Amino acid sequence: ELKVEQNPLFLSMQEGKNYTIYCNYSTTSDRLYWYRQDPGKSLESLFVLLSNGAVKQEGRLMASLDTKARLSTLHITAAVHDLSATYFCAVDMRGTDKLIFGTGTRLQVFP
Amino acid sequence: GAVVSQHPSRVICKSGTSVKIECRSLDFQATTMFWYRQFPKKSLMLMATSNEGSKATYEQGVEKDKFLINHASLTLSTLTVTSAHPEDSSFYICSAIRDSSYGYTFGSGTRLTVV
Repeated sequence: ELKVEQNPLFLSMQEGKNYTIYCNYSTTSDRLYWYRQDPGKSLESLFVLLSNGAVKQEGRLMASLDTKARLSTLHITAAVHDLSATYFCAVDMRGTDKLIFGTGTRLQVFP
Repeated sequence: GAVVSQHPSRVICKSGTSVKIECRSLDFQATTMFWYRQFPKKSLMLMATSNEGSKATYEQGVEKDKFLINHASLTLSTLTVTSAHPEDSSFYICSAIRDSSYGYTFGSGTRLTVV
């Protein structure tokens, strides 16, 4: 059974600071995704990581993937209040197209 | 882009009634769609995989008679919550794959409240 864990579950950080969210998964997978969810809303796609060593950046967010360690990171640089949301990583089960979500990280950025 | 439309966005129903939620891929054909359930402040739990022209595949612990899924065309999947009870109240989200490199596209979600 594929398990996907994130840490921390909750992150309160000051504007301007940097931090990293970690996503570990339990079995081999080819693709990893990061999503953002605002309260009461559906998911917004942030990154699709397709291969070992993949790194993608968009604004203050950067995601990376290490398939050998079964680890992905989402790094936040110089956080701003608008980044406050819940962030999910998700991993597809090889051979099935099923997407299994991580536990989620609720990020709160304060002045 | 790939757009998935889901409606209704919000529905309140009485216990014992049935509710149908629709998920449409607007600008691509989706042979496979997925249905998720999300409790407040929790992650998304995969309920079932909806396959066009065949029976849905349910995840362990999901009652197939309670959550009826129909995928009658390449652009439409429906989830019917039958004989709804308050414990079925939740946020339901559908998704579809356009292709493996494009990734998954999610519907806007349906907030179901059973009173």
